[in-house]
Amino acid sequence: AQRVTQPEKLLSVFKGAPVELKCNYSYSGSPELFWYVQYSRQRLQLLLRHISRESIKGFTADLNKGETSFHLKKPFAQEEDSAMYYCALRSPGNTPLVFGKGTRLSVIA
Amino acid sequence: SAVISQKPSRDICQRGTSLTIQCQVDSQVTMMFWYRQQPGQSLTLIATANQGSEATYESGFVIDKFPISRPNLTFSTLTVSNMSPEDSSIYLCSVSRTREQFFGPGTRLTVL
Repeated sequence: AQRVTQPEKLLSVFKGAPVELKCNYSYSGSPELFWYVQYSRQRLQLLLRHISRESIKGFTADLNKGETSFHLKKPFAQEEDSAMYYCALRSPGNTPLVFGKGTRLSVIA
Repeated sequence: SAVISQKPSRDICQRGTSLTIQCQVDSQVTMMFWYRQQPGQSLTLIATANQGSEATYESGFVIDKFPISRPNLTFSTLTVSNMSPEDSSIYLCSVSRTREQFFGPGTRLTVL
């Protein structure tokens, strides 16, 4: 069965501190992994996906198949990073996303 | 990208009534998805709606409670039937395009 686990419900960090949002998954095969972000009063939007290997707004995430993890990292947190972050996976192809429970990131000035 | 609109944006309903939520996409898509986000919870997939066929429901969701229509490639509706307070949630429409999944703004439903 597909499952995404985000162990932290809330993560508070000081501005300028490093951030790591944890995500582990359960899937038999090669899933596609994503991070979505929801800022206050805005709709859910894609932050990054593992196949792109890109850095968006300073965030990166590396897929570790051995540990079945896809942790989201940023070296220096900014106040505008405060939001709800969801890790998600899907089977290859046009299949719907399965979401983790989300982590609320709060960056303190 | 895909621009998705939903109506209504929010509603307060009485127990036992039904509400139909509309989802409009700015261009044609094969598959549309409906999710529910209960207070403090993550997004849970309700069903997948393909044009011209019956919707496919996830475990725990049934057609009698959440009937879905998909009359064309840009539009879908989700009805929440015989509502109870436990149905109070945000309902989101979503589409998949170019390997990315896009989401509507959501419909915030409160059942009294």
